Amino acid sequence: GAGVSQTPSNKVTEKGKYVELRCDPISGHTALYWYRQSLGQGPEFLIYFQGTGAADDSGLPNDRFFAVRPEGSVSTLKIQRTERGDSAVYLCASSPTGDNEKLFFGSGTQLSVL
Amino acid sequence: EDKVVQSPLSLVVHEGDTVTLNCSYEVTNFRSLLWYKQEKKAPTFLFMLTSSGIEKKSGRLSSILDKKELSSILNITATQTGDSAIYLCAATNSNSGYALNFGKGTSLLVTP
Repeated sequence: GAGVSQTPSNKVTEKGKYVELRCDPISGHTALYWYRQSLGQGPEFLIYFQGTGAADDSGLPNDRFFAVRPEGSVSTLKIQRTERGDSAVYLCASSPTGDNEKLFFGSGTQLSVL
Repeated sequence: EDKVVQSPLSLVVHEGDTVTLNCSYEVTNFRSLLWYKQEKKAPTFLFMLTSSGIEKKSGRLSSILDKKELSSILNITATQTGDSAIYLCAATNSNSGYALNFGKGTSLLVTP
């Protein structure tokens, strides 16, 4: 597609529920990143994929968070047993290669955990 | 721990004013500094700086890196209401160059 697409744009869920957030990167971009942005803060790195594999998942806050990219294109961020503190905007970005810091961001998914 | 600090956190100016936004960093094995503009949700790339003292320009925006002072500035001249946004600064290190370490951002409001 023309840009990075994220769905849904908004997700409201209840504490304890499971959610999946989807990211469709720019066609041909091998590198994909997930960031989380809380109100009044800058984006915080979560995980980086090069192709199908997670090259660095050191930013995932705990084992409730997991992400996959099975075919090297679309990625899904999965959050189990959601907590109110998980409420944030989840941003996905892609770049042509992993060595390029010029990232193309999607418009994010606003996750609200009630 | 790597750190990026931006100032001011927010700023209100009149159309036509010139603004300077500041970014300082403490990064082990510094690699690059980047500026992004965030309107609504998606940050968009402005500049990437790796060398000290070389100004990068794009229209009314310019930026420069000072590796001695561990800082960068972003200048916007003749501001317009469309410049209203959050301006994010990020640094990378050589160990994980792909992971941008962002500051909290400067929220700029340009009034007519």
